[in-house]
Amino acid sequence: AQKITQTQPGMFVQEKEAVTLDCTYDTSDQSYGLFWYKQPSSGEMIFLIYQGSYDEQNATEGRYSLNFQKARKSANLVISASQLGDSAMYFCAMRSYGGAQKLVFGQGTRLTINP
Amino acid sequence: EAGVAQSPRYKIIEKRQSVAFWCNPISGHATLYWYQQILGQGPKLLIQFQNNGVVDDSQLPKDRFSAERLKGVDSTLKIQPAKLEDSAVYLCASSSPTGLGGGYTFGSGTRLTVV
Repeated sequence: AQKITQTQPGMFVQEKEAVTLDCTYDTSDQSYGLFWYKQPSSGEMIFLIYQGSYDEQNATEGRYSLNFQKARKSANLVISASQLGDSAMYFCAMRSYGGAQKLVFGQGTRLTINP
Repeated sequence: EAGVAQSPRYKIIEKRQSVAFWCNPISGHATLYWYQQILGQGPKLLIQFQNNGVVDDSQLPKDRFSAERLKGVDSTLKIQPAKLEDSAVYLCASSSPTGLGGGYTFGSGTRLTVV
């Protein structure tokens, strides 16, 4: 079974600072993908970044990067130069490429950016 | 391309009443998911369809929840009778194997309040 753990219920960061959101995962599958989503108060689920288990390079998308440490089963999200608009819930998620291939989510981290 | 459409956006019902939610996925997306997101938690998969067949409904409370996807396109999720603990946001998502990591796209959700 797949499991995602996000141990930070809430994070408070000053504007323009970098922030790291933690995510660890558990799976017995060799082929899987890891995702980060942003959910603002409006409720929509916004895709941020993706990392495949066989990707050798860490994924980057603009100010977002994914620090993928396969041996430690961690996939932390790094947001550089945080902005007020980054305040939201952030979810780490995983899918396996075998079986039903469903997307499993962690509990989320609420990020608040202070001016 | 048009996104995943969901309706209604909000719904308030009394306990023991019935309610139905509708989802129209992105055109051509064969896989459709219904998630339940209780306030402050990560989304939990209720049911996954591949075309009009059920792939995973292991976490669907089948005594009160039902879902169908006729003709492999639109889907409806029904709750009958509703309980107070069903208050949540119900997210519909669809995916395509050609999208990055599966190309999951989420709708805006239906916020259900049971009083």
